Amino acid sequence: SAVISQKPSRDICQRGTSLTIQCQVDSQVTMMFWYRQQPGQSLTLIATANQGSEATYESGFVIDKFPISRPNLTFSTLTVSNMSPEDSSIYLCSVYLEVDGYGYTFGSGTRLTVV
Amino acid sequence: TQLLEQSPQFLSIQEGENLTVYCNSSSVFSSLQWYRQEPGEGPVLLVTVVTGGEVKKLKRLTFQFGDARKDSSLHITAAQPGDTGLYLCAGVTGNQFYFGTGTSLTVIP
Repeated sequence: SAVISQKPSRDICQRGTSLTIQCQVDSQVTMMFWYRQQPGQSLTLIATANQGSEATYESGFVIDKFPISRPNLTFSTLTVSNMSPEDSSIYLCSVYLEVDGYGYTFGSGTRLTVV
Repeated sequence: TQLLEQSPQFLSIQEGENLTVYCNSSSVFSSLQWYRQEPGEGPVLLVTVVTGGEVKKLKRLTFQFGDARKDSSLHITAAQPGDTGLYLCAGVTGNQFYFGTGTSLTVIP
């Protein structure tokens, strides 16, 4: 299965600032996925990042708030802009490999606290 | 409303006990997966089931996909503290992928 490096692992940020989360995959993948998760709860898909095109955002998430870059087939960034305490959450990147039922592989997540 | 409902939401048991987690839906899924997530980590895939009625075993874990491919269960035998974590089912229907609501399991030594 793929190996995903995600950073930072955690951060505490001031209200109104922005944080960029990086996700590096050891395989070339067409789509990368960004999720948000409250501790102990399920995952909510933010957007799907395709290389060479604009990201596709789920209902309730907009590009101005969560801009995504996908410069190549192994890397993506998610920026959380103009943060408020409501943005405090765990952010995870993920890829899907249809090889031997590997399913989705996740990064270890970024735990964001906005104060 | 979540497409995949898991029960129970929280479960706290003693080491050595057995338990079952359920994942239910009114929709039919082409495949269903189970993940386990430990604190500070991302979810890790445990198993994928694709055939109605399929049963897969992974050591002390037994996974079953319902005959109609609308539900699944995860049974853990003789739970150990290392089984503690958040268990998530996830299914593919159409071209969409959905996560379940999650079951937080704590195994007390």
